[in-house]
Parts: sequence; structure tokens; C-alpha cells
Amino acid sequence: DQQVKQNSPSLSVQEGRISILNCDYTNSMFDYFLWYKKYPAEGPTFLISISSIKDKNEDGRFTVFLNKSAKHLSLHIVPSQPGDSAVYFCAAYLYTGGFKTIFGAGTRLFVKA
Amino acid sequence: SQTIHQWPATLVQPVGSPLSLECTVEGTSNPNLYWYRQAAGRGLQLLFYSVGIGQISSEVPQNLSASRPQDRQFILSSKKLLLSDSGFYLCAWSVLGRDYEQYFGPGTRLTVT
Repeated sequence: DQQVKQNSPSLSVQEGRISILNCDYTNSMFDYFLWYKKYPAEGPTFLISISSIKDKNEDGRFTVFLNKSAKHLSLHIVPSQPGDSAVYFCAAYLYTGGFKTIFGAGTRLFVKA
Repeated sequence: SQTIHQWPATLVQPVGSPLSLECTVEGTSNPNLYWYRQAAGRGLQLLFYSVGIGQISSEVPQNLSASRPQDRQFILSSKKLLLSDSGFYLCAWSVLGRDYEQYFGPGTRLTVT
């Protein structure tokens, strides 16, 4: 049961352009949504989060958009830089007496110089 | 600032051997602690979490166990490893009240042969 899906395994973008990473979820009860960035052989790094009551959160070059009616969120990176090349994980958090964070399978982003 | 340590970084163990992976967090008190596993090409799967010393919750029944002997120490163990236990194991911590925002260690690559 994949409650969080990232349907694009990879994405290639030119430096300076916008990168858009997408994520779909099935459970409307999630409280928060998050994006993590991961380099090979390292642990994921927390990037940005959004509460389920918001539709946008911005932090520097990173903006997350949440469309609750479509159960869809996206991460926009503007402008994209070669150092952004990594695997990006979408995650959804739900507290039901225990902590539950469900991760997507990840999207590998390549930013070409 | 807070830091999280995991060791070893890589481990090759034969089937049927025991396992002990250790995680310690510095710079914070009473963190929530988590163990995740990432199988090849997959997202992160939550294995265990702990809200305090001696308090362990298991998310997925399996061949593994976890313990929290001290406030900032989290240990993942197995008495007899299976081939299916191979993967990338990640420890993470979060601050009470912001459990959706988790901070990961560098991970341990475990190969069971």
C-alpha cells in the first residue's frame, strides 16, 4: 500500500531553470508533508515542510505547494544549481498515538551545468 | 548544535550472525529517536521509534529489535541476520512537538552474505 508516491524516478534540468518535483498521496489525514534531499551514501537532509492547513511554504530557492483536493504536492527549486543534484524524497507525517512518517521512493534530480 | 553519529559506516556480515548498530545524538535532550531502513531503489521504511529511555515502538514485525539504554543512545540489534536484512540503515532524531521534522545520521550500509 503506497500511500506516498513519486512517479518520476528521475528528472534532468538545466542549471538556472526551475526544477519541479512531484508527489501524490492517498491519505487525507496526513498532518504534515516534507521534502528531504539525499546524496549517495549519506543520510537524508530535511529541506522544507508544509502543514496540511497551508497551500504554500517558501524557503529561499525552495517552495512547496500543496493541493489537498488533488492530494498532490510539489517542490519547486528556482534557480536550479548543479549542487542540487541528489535524490529527493517526499514524505507525509501522521500522528495517531504513534509517529508515522511515510516516504516516497524518491526522484533523482540531475542539474546540468 | 545537534549532531547524530552512527557506526559502523559499512558492515558485511554472514547469514545467521548477530548485529548491533549504534546511534548517538549530541546537543539535545530527550529527543525522539528512529530507526529506518532503505532497501535498494525504495523509500525509507520506519522500523522502530522511541520517545524515551526503555520505550520502544515497533512499526514492522521483523528479525530486528531496538533498545534505548540512555537518553541519546539508540541501538538496533539482531540475534541472527537474514539475507533480507541487507540495506541502508538510518537513525534519526526529532524534537518533541516537531516530530515531523526528522534529522538523519550518515547511515550504515549492511550487506548480509
